[in-house]
Amino acid sequence: AQKVTQAQTEISVVEKEDVTLDCVYETRDTTYYLFWYKQPPSGELVFLIRRNSFDEQNEISGRYSWNFQKSTSSFNFTITASQVVDSAVYFCALSEARNTDKLIFGTGTRLQVFP
Amino acid sequence: GAVVSQHPSRVICKSGTSVKIECRSLDFQATTMFWYRQFPKQSLMLMATSNEGSKATYEQGVEKDKFLINHASLTLSTLTVTSAHPEDSSFYICSARPAGDSYEQYFGPGTRLTVT
Repeated sequence: AQKVTQAQTEISVVEKEDVTLDCVYETRDTTYYLFWYKQPPSGELVFLIRRNSFDEQNEISGRYSWNFQKSTSSFNFTITASQVVDSAVYFCALSEARNTDKLIFGTGTRLQVFP
Repeated sequence: GAVVSQHPSRVICKSGTSVKIECRSLDFQATTMFWYRQFPKQSLMLMATSNEGSKATYEQGVEKDKFLINHASLTLSTLTVTSAHPEDSSFYICSARPAGDSYEQYFGPGTRLTVT
């Protein structure tokens, strides 16, 4: 069965701290896609990254970085030098190649960055 | 590019009435659109997938007769909540997949429905 687990419900940090959001997934497919989305208080989902199962290279985009490890079925997201504007709910999601219509979301991690 | 709009952004309706939510892809054609529901402080749950010109495919547990989905054109899908009840109060989010794309979904800003 497909499943995405975000064990951290809420995280609070002070500005400039680094923070890592954990994501563990379950799937029986060998081809799948992993996503991270940001949902600020306005509610709109903001796409951050998509990674396919054959690409285990870590990715860095500005202050954001992602660590994909198939051996532990994890796709963790790190924000370096956090800012107040990073405060949001972050969702990790999975879709399998056999049914890319279905995007399975984790329960989300609420990040609060205090000044 | 790849902008999806939803209308209205907020709606309050009385129990027993119906409310329609529109989802539009503004700068691309979407053969497939998706409807999600999000309860407060919870995750997004896929309600249904709609393909232009055909009937929507509903997820298990979602009442087809209660949540009517119409995808009449390549840029518009509508979700009608019929005979709304307070428990239908939720945040409804649509997403759209561009024609020819197999993976991406572009999300709308969501519609907050409150049923009194």
